[in-house]
Amino acid sequence: QKEVEQDPGPLSVPEGAIVSLNCTYSNSAFQYFMWYRQYSRKGPELLMYTYSSGNKEDGRFTAQVDKSSKYISLFIRDSQPSDSATYLCAMKSNDMRFGAGTRLTVKP
Amino acid sequence: GAGVSQSPSNKVTEKGKDVELRCDPISGHTALYWYRQSLGQGLEFLIYFQGNSAPDKSGLPSDRFSAERTGGSVSTLTIQRTQQEDSAVYLCASSLGSGTGNTIYFGEGSWLTVV
Repeated sequence: QKEVEQDPGPLSVPEGAIVSLNCTYSNSAFQYFMWYRQYSRKGPELLMYTYSSGNKEDGRFTAQVDKSSKYISLFIRDSQPSDSATYLCAMKSNDMRFGAGTRLTVKP
Repeated sequence: GAGVSQSPSNKVTEKGKDVELRCDPISGHTALYWYRQSLGQGLEFLIYFQGNSAPDKSGLPSDRFSAERTGGSVSTLTIQRTQQEDSAVYLCASSLGSGTGNTIYFGEGSWLTVV
């Protein structure tokens, strides 16, 4: 079993839809949880960063962490074609581990 | 520079040749990481440098891979006798320190194709 599991998709939604991206993990030592967005042929860029359980909102994006279930989510409201990218979850204790990334396409 | 800088951005090489990939981290960042990303795959950790400490080489897939970091700044990843399975994006990242709360920032990657 991988330390971090993420459905690679692909996920295709119409513009304006609410998108839910998820990761599960097995290492209870992870304390910091991140979401990176990676456009085609670009490096990953940090999108959201949360510490421990709870929600964090930034504009149309909400990151949610449930440490008891070892489950994290990223919600995108009012999705736009410009949100089309691969979204990678990442988590950190002493080491950093990444999910495989979910490829999202938002169709106009 | 403002961000992590990597060169070359694209490299096509013949099987069996050696390649060198360069990374210039964000100024002041003491931690530097190399990752590999194959098509449709997640990020595979390769090596990690923190200041003057001995690097964590636990992710290097074979002895054909090596990396060095000179003067605590620029790093070079070297792949000897390249194989077709080495084709991937090699991503460099840096962070302010190695502490749990330090976020890592990525470069644009070096896209390596071995033919």
